[in-house]
Amino acid sequence: GAGVSQSPRYKVAKRGQDVALRCDPISGHVSLFWYQQALGQGPEFLTYFQNEAQLDKSGLPSDRFFAERPEGSVSTLKIQRTQQEDSAVYLCASSRDRGFGNTIYFGEGSWLTVV
Amino acid sequence: SQKIEQNSEALNIQEGKTATLTCNYTNYSPAYLQWYRQDPGRGPVFLLLIRENEKEKRKERLKVTFDTTLKQSLFHITASQPADSATYLCALGLAGGTSYGKLTFGQGTILTVHP
Repeated sequence: GAGVSQSPRYKVAKRGQDVALRCDPISGHVSLFWYQQALGQGPEFLTYFQNEAQLDKSGLPSDRFFAERPEGSVSTLKIQRTQQEDSAVYLCASSRDRGFGNTIYFGEGSWLTVV
Repeated sequence: SQKIEQNSEALNIQEGKTATLTCNYTNYSPAYLQWYRQDPGRGPVFLLLIRENEKEKRKERLKVTFDTTLKQSLFHITASQPADSATYLCALGLAGGTSYGKLTFGQGTILTVHP
Protein backbone atom coordinates (compact mmCIF):
# COMPACT_ATOMS: atom_id res chain seq x y z
CA GLY A 1 0.00 0.00 0.00
CA ALA A 2 0.93 3.65 -0.14
CA GLY A 3 1.62 3.98 3.54
CA VAL A 4 1.60 2.12 6.84
CA SER A 5 -1.96 1.14 7.68
CA GLN A 6 -3.18 0.44 11.21
CA SER A 7 -6.48 -0.93 12.47
CA PRO A 8 -8.57 -0.31 14.39
CA ARG A 9 -8.00 3.43 14.55
CA TYR A 10 -9.91 3.64 17.80
CA LYS A 11 -10.57 0.96 20.37
CA VAL A 12 -12.33 1.18 23.70
CA ALA A 13 -11.70 -1.86 25.87
CA LYS A 14 -13.03 -2.78 29.26
CA ARG A 15 -10.38 -3.46 31.84
CA GLY A 16 -9.38 -7.08 31.69
CA GLN A 17 -10.34 -7.49 28.03
CA ASP A 18 -7.81 -8.68 25.43
CA VAL A 19 -7.14 -6.48 22.39
CA ALA A 20 -5.36 -7.03 19.09
CA LEU A 21 -3.97 -4.19 17.00
CA ARG A 22 -3.02 -4.74 13.38
CA CYS A 23 -0.32 -3.15 11.27
CA ASP A 24 0.10 -3.37 7.50
CA PRO A 25 3.56 -1.99 6.71
CA ILE A 26 4.61 -0.58 3.38
CA SER A 27 4.96 -3.46 0.95
CA GLY A 28 8.46 -4.92 0.90
CA HIS A 29 9.66 -3.16 4.01
CA VAL A 30 11.98 -5.35 6.01
CA SER A 31 11.93 -3.53 9.34
CA LEU A 32 8.83 -3.06 11.48
CA PHE A 33 8.57 -1.24 14.79
CA TRP A 34 5.87 -0.80 17.40
CA TYR A 35 5.87 2.31 19.60
CA GLN A 36 3.58 3.44 22.41
CA GLN A 37 2.74 7.13 22.77
CA ALA A 38 1.08 8.51 25.89
CA LEU A 39 -0.72 11.83 25.71
CA GLY A 40 1.72 14.72 25.54
CA GLN A 41 4.75 12.48 25.31
CA GLY A 42 7.01 11.24 22.56
CA PRO A 43 6.69 7.70 21.24
CA GLU A 44 8.40 4.96 23.25
CA PHE A 45 9.88 1.88 21.63
CA LEU A 46 8.13 -1.42 22.24
CA THR A 47 9.50 -3.98 19.82
CA TYR A 48 11.28 -4.50 16.51
CA PHE A 49 10.96 -7.09 13.72
CA GLN A 50 13.32 -7.78 10.87
CA ASN A 51 11.14 -9.72 8.45
CA GLU A 52 9.46 -12.35 10.63
CA ALA A 53 12.13 -12.37 13.34
CA GLN A 54 11.46 -10.40 16.49
CA LEU A 55 14.95 -9.13 17.26
CA ASP A 56 14.18 -6.76 20.11
CA LYS A 57 11.28 -6.80 22.53
CA SER A 58 13.01 -4.92 25.29
CA GLY A 59 10.38 -2.15 25.36
CA LEU A 60 7.35 -4.36 25.97
CA PRO A 61 6.12 -3.20 29.40
CA SER A 62 4.95 -6.55 30.68
CA ASP A 63 4.29 -10.14 29.69
CA ARG A 64 0.73 -9.06 28.87
CA PHE A 65 2.10 -7.54 25.67
CA PHE A 66 2.86 -9.80 22.75
CA ALA A 67 3.71 -9.03 19.12
CA GLU A 68 4.09 -11.20 16.06
CA ARG A 69 4.83 -10.92 12.36
CA PRO A 70 4.57 -14.52 11.20
CA GLU A 71 5.04 -14.03 7.45
CA GLY A 72 7.26 -11.00 7.56
CA SER A 73 4.58 -8.54 6.47
CA VAL A 74 1.48 -7.86 8.60
CA SER A 75 2.10 -7.55 12.33
CA THR A 76 -0.23 -7.82 15.30
CA LEU A 77 0.30 -6.35 18.75
CA LYS A 78 -1.76 -8.14 21.36
CA ILE A 79 -2.44 -6.87 24.85
CA GLN A 80 -3.93 -9.32 27.29
CA ARG A 81 -5.98 -8.40 30.35
CA THR A 82 -5.82 -4.69 29.55
CA GLN A 83 -5.25 -2.21 32.35
CA GLN A 84 -6.01 1.51 32.47
CA GLU A 85 -2.33 2.35 32.19
CA ASP A 86 -2.32 0.67 28.76
CA SER A 87 -4.41 3.56 27.41
CA ALA A 88 -2.24 5.19 24.75
CA VAL A 89 -1.71 5.48 21.03
CA TYR A 90 0.08 2.48 19.55
CA LEU A 91 2.12 3.43 16.52
CA CYS A 92 3.47 1.05 13.95
CA ALA A 93 6.36 2.05 11.69
CA SER A 94 8.30 0.41 8.90
CA SER A 95 11.47 1.02 6.95
CA ARG A 96 12.79 -0.44 3.74
CA ASP A 97 16.04 -1.85 4.97
CA ARG A 98 17.55 -3.02 8.20
CA GLY A 99 20.38 -0.54 8.32
CA PHE A 100 20.21 2.31 10.77
CA GLY A 101 19.57 5.78 9.46
CA ASN A 102 16.84 4.72 7.04
CA THR A 103 13.67 6.73 6.78
CA ILE A 104 11.03 5.31 9.07
CA TYR A 105 7.40 5.65 8.03
CA PHE A 106 4.77 5.76 10.75
CA GLY A 107 1.14 4.80 10.59
CA GLU A 108 -1.61 6.96 12.02
CA GLY A 109 -1.78 4.87 15.16
CA SER A 110 -4.37 2.86 17.04
CA TRP A 111 -5.89 4.82 19.90
CA LEU A 112 -6.61 2.51 22.82
CA THR A 113 -8.73 3.61 25.75
CA VAL A 114 -9.18 1.17 28.63
CA VAL A 115 -12.19 1.91 30.83
CA SER B 1 20.50 8.32 33.68
CA GLN B 2 19.76 8.77 30.00
CA LYS B 3 17.60 11.72 29.12
CA ILE B 4 16.38 13.59 26.05
CA GLU B 5 14.94 17.03 26.61
CA GLN B 6 13.29 19.27 24.12
CA ASN B 7 13.45 22.71 25.61
CA SER B 8 10.10 24.48 25.65
CA GLU B 9 6.98 22.41 25.65
CA ALA B 10 5.44 25.16 23.54
CA LEU B 11 6.83 27.82 21.25
CA ASN B 12 4.79 30.68 19.81
CA ILE B 13 6.13 32.85 17.00
CA GLN B 14 4.91 35.28 14.37
CA GLU B 15 4.58 34.31 10.76
CA GLY B 16 7.72 35.04 8.78
CA LYS B 17 10.08 34.65 11.74
CA THR B 18 12.53 31.81 12.27
CA ALA B 19 11.50 29.13 14.72
CA THR B 20 14.34 27.48 16.64
CA LEU B 21 13.69 24.28 18.56
CA THR B 22 16.24 22.65 20.86
CA CYS B 23 16.96 19.03 21.65
CA ASN B 24 19.45 18.18 24.40
CA TYR B 25 20.50 14.74 25.50
CA THR B 26 22.58 13.22 28.28
CA ASN B 27 24.31 9.87 28.60
CA TYR B 28 23.71 8.89 24.98
CA SER B 29 26.15 8.49 22.14
CA PRO B 30 23.82 8.67 19.16
CA ALA B 31 24.96 7.65 15.71
CA TYR B 32 22.36 9.97 14.23
CA LEU B 33 19.48 12.22 15.13
CA GLN B 34 16.17 12.69 13.36
CA TRP B 35 13.45 15.32 13.50
CA TYR B 36 9.78 14.51 12.98
CA ARG B 37 6.62 16.51 12.65
CA GLN B 38 3.41 15.28 14.25
CA ASP B 39 -0.01 16.78 13.70
CA PRO B 40 -2.88 16.14 16.16
CA GLY B 41 -4.29 12.66 15.75
CA ARG B 42 -1.66 11.66 13.19
CA GLY B 43 1.54 9.65 13.22
CA PRO B 44 4.98 11.31 13.16
CA VAL B 45 6.31 12.29 9.74
CA PHE B 46 10.05 12.19 9.04
CA LEU B 47 11.67 15.53 8.22
CA LEU B 48 15.45 15.36 8.46
CA LEU B 49 18.26 13.06 9.55
CA ILE B 50 21.72 14.18 10.59
CA ARG B 51 24.59 11.83 11.37
CA GLU B 52 27.12 12.18 14.18
CA ASN B 53 29.85 13.26 11.79
CA GLU B 54 27.72 15.98 10.20
CA LYS B 55 27.41 19.50 11.58
CA GLU B 56 24.50 20.80 9.58
CA LYS B 57 21.78 19.63 7.19
CA ARG B 58 19.33 21.68 5.17
CA LYS B 59 16.11 20.93 3.33
CA GLU B 60 14.14 23.79 1.86
CA ARG B 61 13.19 26.03 4.81
CA LEU B 62 14.48 23.55 7.39
CA LYS B 63 17.93 23.42 8.93
CA VAL B 64 19.29 21.05 11.55
CA THR B 65 22.56 21.31 13.44
CA PHE B 66 24.15 18.59 15.54
CA ASP B 67 26.82 19.30 18.16
CA THR B 68 28.01 16.06 19.75
CA THR B 69 30.26 17.98 22.16
CA LEU B 70 27.39 20.04 23.53
CA LYS B 71 25.06 17.03 23.07
CA GLN B 72 22.56 19.25 21.37
CA SER B 73 20.64 19.59 18.14
CA LEU B 74 18.95 22.74 16.93
CA PHE B 75 16.07 22.64 14.44
CA HIS B 76 15.28 25.82 12.52
CA ILE B 77 12.28 26.68 10.35
CA THR B 78 12.89 29.88 8.42
CA ALA B 79 10.14 32.12 7.04
CA SER B 80 7.66 30.24 9.22
CA GLN B 81 4.03 29.87 8.15
CA PRO B 82 0.86 29.04 10.10
CA ALA B 83 0.90 25.67 8.28
CA ASP B 84 4.14 24.87 10.14
CA SER B 85 2.17 24.72 13.40
CA ALA B 86 2.56 21.20 14.80
CA THR B 87 4.45 19.19 17.39
CA TYR B 88 8.09 18.58 16.50
CA LEU B 89 9.89 15.56 17.89
CA CYS B 90 13.59 14.85 18.00
CA ALA B 91 14.75 11.25 18.08
CA LEU B 92 18.12 9.67 18.70
CA GLY B 93 19.34 6.61 16.85
CA LEU B 94 22.01 4.37 18.33
CA ALA B 95 24.35 2.28 16.22
CA GLY B 96 24.73 -1.41 16.73
CA GLY B 97 22.60 -3.77 18.73
CA THR B 98 19.76 -5.74 17.24
CA SER B 99 17.34 -2.91 16.63
CA TYR B 100 18.54 -1.27 13.49
CA GLY B 101 16.69 2.00 13.31
CA LYS B 102 15.28 1.92 16.85
CA LEU B 103 14.65 5.48 17.95
CA THR B 104 14.50 7.18 21.35
CA PHE B 105 12.24 10.22 21.23
CA GLY B 106 12.05 13.48 23.13
CA GLN B 107 8.72 14.64 24.48
CA GLY B 108 8.12 17.10 21.65
CA THR B 109 7.73 20.85 21.28
CA ILE B 110 4.39 22.31 20.22
CA LEU B 111 5.03 25.07 17.70
CA THR B 112 2.33 27.63 16.94
CA VAL B 113 2.92 30.15 14.17
CA HIS B 114 0.59 33.11 14.42
CA PRO B 115 -0.51 34.97 11.26
